[in-house]
Amino acid sequence: DSGVTQTPKHLITATGQRVTLRCSPRSGDLSVYWYQQSLDQGLQFLIQYYNGEERAKGNILERFSAQQFPDLHSELNLSSLELGDSALYFCASSGQGFNEQFFGPGTRLTVL
Amino acid sequence: AQSVTQLGSHVSVSEGALVLLRCNYSSSVPPYLFWYVQYPNQGLQLLLKYTTGATLVKGINGFEAEFKKSETSFHLTKPSAHMSDAAEYFCAVTRYSSASKIIFGSGTRLSIRP
Repeated sequence: DSGVTQTPKHLITATGQRVTLRCSPRSGDLSVYWYQQSLDQGLQFLIQYYNGEERAKGNILERFSAQQFPDLHSELNLSSLELGDSALYFCASSGQGFNEQFFGPGTRLTVL
Repeated sequence: AQSVTQLGSHVSVSEGALVLLRCNYSSSVPPYLFWYVQYPNQGLQLLLKYTTGATLVKGINGFEAEFKKSETSFHLTKPSAHMSDAAEYFCAVTRYSSASKIIFGSGTRLSIRP
């Protein structure tokens, strides 16, 4: 158990819909990262937040957004969903220092 | 800019044989290097990491990796493969900064033959 929690574990929705994925980092970790893992794209970094502020951006679509709240949990919002958004979405957290990231179990999103 | 290349998307070895998963990196600053493992339907788990100091790093489950600056490599090895080692392995690079993201390789799927 990494100490990072993600909800929900599975999510099935339809094209055009909007969903919110939630992540709670390990106690004391200030950084939260979001990743998308799919068969054709592999593991893609989406975005990083550090203590409530956006710090780094990767291959995140404009239809996707994220935020980190004062209690340090984070949410990833996916809107106007397309079939190709079906993937595993991972959250990771890290403390200061060596950037070792601890991954949550992931949310499997299926868009029908 | 930093990047990671994992040679071989799929490696198959016999149980008891040596495991060697290759990783080469590119970094303009001293890198921090990681190997993560992902078992089916699970998240990524840190196997080992190199930050500074000893270049031979030992990790969990009998794995180790050696940082070779001259070869820009960080290959993962295990002397004797076990069936439970079957998983996807990711090499990753970053640098020391709270604003740095980790760059992951494309992954190598390790299969173990009985």
